[in-house]
Amino acid sequence: DSGVTQTPKHLITATGQRVTLRCSPRSGDLSVYWYQQSLDQGLQFLIQYYNGEERAKGNILERFSAQQFPDLHSELNLSSLELGDSALYFCASSVESAPTNYGYTFGSGTRLTVV
Amino acid sequence: GENVEQHPSTLSVQEGDSAVIKCTYSDSASNYFPWYKQELGKRPQLIIDIRSNVGEKKDQRIAVTLNKTAKHFSLHITETQPEDSAVYFCAASGTSGTYKYIFGTGTRLKVLA
Repeated sequence: DSGVTQTPKHLITATGQRVTLRCSPRSGDLSVYWYQQSLDQGLQFLIQYYNGEERAKGNILERFSAQQFPDLHSELNLSSLELGDSALYFCASSVESAPTNYGYTFGSGTRLTVV
Repeated sequence: GENVEQHPSTLSVQEGDSAVIKCTYSDSASNYFPWYKQELGKRPQLIIDIRSNVGEKKDQRIAVTLNKTAKHFSLHITETQPEDSAVYFCAASGTSGTYKYIFGTGTRLKVLA
């Protein structure tokens, strides 16, 4: 157990629907990062939050949004889902805003299947 | 823009041989370079990292080298074992102030017994 908790582990939904993925960082970590990993693809950075504030944004679609709450858990909202959104969504956390000392710790991911 | 190229995409080696995976990054401000191992269906796990003020780092059978001038860094695995079979990702820290990682596209390593 990495200490980063992602729920749900699996999600199957229809096109056009909206889903929410949840991530709880390791105790003491202030930064949360969201990554998308499509089948046999690399890890695409979506967005980072640090202590409740958006810190960096990647190639995140306008249909996607995220937030980090006062208790530091984060949610990634995906709306108007398309077949191509099917992927593994990973959350990672780090102890500081600049994770150059310890690296990320990844959660186990949420596998989203859009049918 | 920020980019990390990783080669090869697949690599097969005989058990006991060495494996080398190479990455090139584009952002000269990158100063931290982690490597992750991802087994099928599981989360990426940090196996080794290197900072820009160091040229080489070793941890048992794995080592990483960094050439900042050429913007190259490499992962070396010696005496490979079947349990080393996985997908390996290199990454580089992003633009200063953002703290995100830019990942390479991954190398699928197969160690043949």
